[in-house]
Parts: sequence; structure tokens; C-alpha cells
Amino acid sequence: KQEVTQIPAALSVPEGENLVLNCSFTDSAIYNLQWFRQDPGKGLTSLLLIQSSQREQTSGRLNASLDKSSGRSTLYIAASQPGDSATYLCAVTNSGGSNYKLTFGKGTLLTVNP
Amino acid sequence: DAGITQSPRHKVTETGTPVTLRCHQTENHRYMYWYRQDPGHGLRLIHYSYGVKDTDKGEVSDGYSVSRSKTEDFLLTLESATSSQTSVYFCAIRTGGSYEQYFGPGTRLTVT
Repeated sequence: KQEVTQIPAALSVPEGENLVLNCSFTDSAIYNLQWFRQDPGKGLTSLLLIQSSQREQTSGRLNASLDKSSGRSTLYIAASQPGDSATYLCAVTNSGGSNYKLTFGKGTLLTVNP
Repeated sequence: DAGITQSPRHKVTETGTPVTLRCHQTENHRYMYWYRQDPGHGLRLIHYSYGVKDTDKGEVSDGYSVSRSKTEDFLLTLESATSSQTSVYFCAIRTGGSYEQYFGPGTRLTVT
């Protein structure tokens, strides 16, 4: 059974700092990995999708990497801003099944202080 | 936002009453999902659909049923609501090709 772990559970940084969020998964047989952002009381916003054949994806100040063989992904946020404060969720789609469901980690709560 | 809407957005109901949540999409995606989000558990799959009238169970399906009579609508029914079903419910679609999932805004359900 796939298990996804995110460390740390919470992170507080000053504005302008570069930071890294970590995600690990137990089964390397995945189609892809997605990073989401969730603001309090809101839905999930897809930030980046990395296919299993890819090593990284970039969008603006965000860069996500994937090391499938070791079961790890990182989300790098450059020059953090208070508006980046949110919960960041990592999720994987397993291959070998038919439902293509996502298995989620429990998230990292990021606070960027002005 | 992939054109996903959920209704109602908030609902308070009493234990033992039936409740139906609706998910509507406008982009004709084949796969649709219902997840619930709870503190300490994260998001978990309840049911999913891979086409009209084609549905299957997820990991936390007990007490829930679903129906999909049209491509655009996926309904989640709680036959007899219990307090343990108090949660935030999210609908999602899966795109073809990349298999990326997009989520609706969620329904906050409280069972008293």
C-alpha cells in the first residue's frame, strides 16, 4: 500500500528566504507526482505535475524535483513571500491499477512572516 | 479550475438523514473522484467513476454510494448520515494524457 509522508509538518520562515519542502513515498511504481497548495477553508490548487519519467518541473518561483528510485520529491520555493503561506500537499498516482487515484501526504503548513 | 463546481458548499444535517452532494464538470472528463479531508487523515478516496454508470469503491466507501447518469454530474449520497461523516468533501476530475487531477471548491458537511 502506497504511503506518502511530508516533512516537516509545519515550517515558519521570514520573508525572502528560499525553502524546501520534502515528500517521500514508499512505492516507486508511480505515474506521476503532484504538488498542491491549499489555503485555509479552500480547495486544492494544482501547482506542479511531474511525470515519472521526468526529474523536475518549474513554474515561476517554484521548482519540484522527483527521484523515483529513492521515493522522494522536493518542492523548492525561491524568495518566499507572505502570500505563499498555505498548506502544501504532495500526492502520487500509482501505476499498475485502474483507478488512477491520488495518495496524499498530510501536508506541510508553511507560514512566511513579513 | 477545470470547470468543477460542487453543491451545496455548506450543509448541516442531523444524524440519520440522507444527504446528496453534487459535483458538476463542464469539460467532459471521463474520470471523476470523491475524496474526504479530515484532520490527521489527509485526503482519502471515497468512490470514483470512469464513465457514465461506471463507478467503483475507494478506501473509505462504507456508508456512501455514488451515481453517474451523465458525464458531467457525479453524485455522492450518504444514505443515513452519521457524525463520523462530518468532513470536507472534494470532487476531482482526471485529465487525459498527463493524468493530472483538478479539484472542486469542496463541500463542508456537518452532521449533528
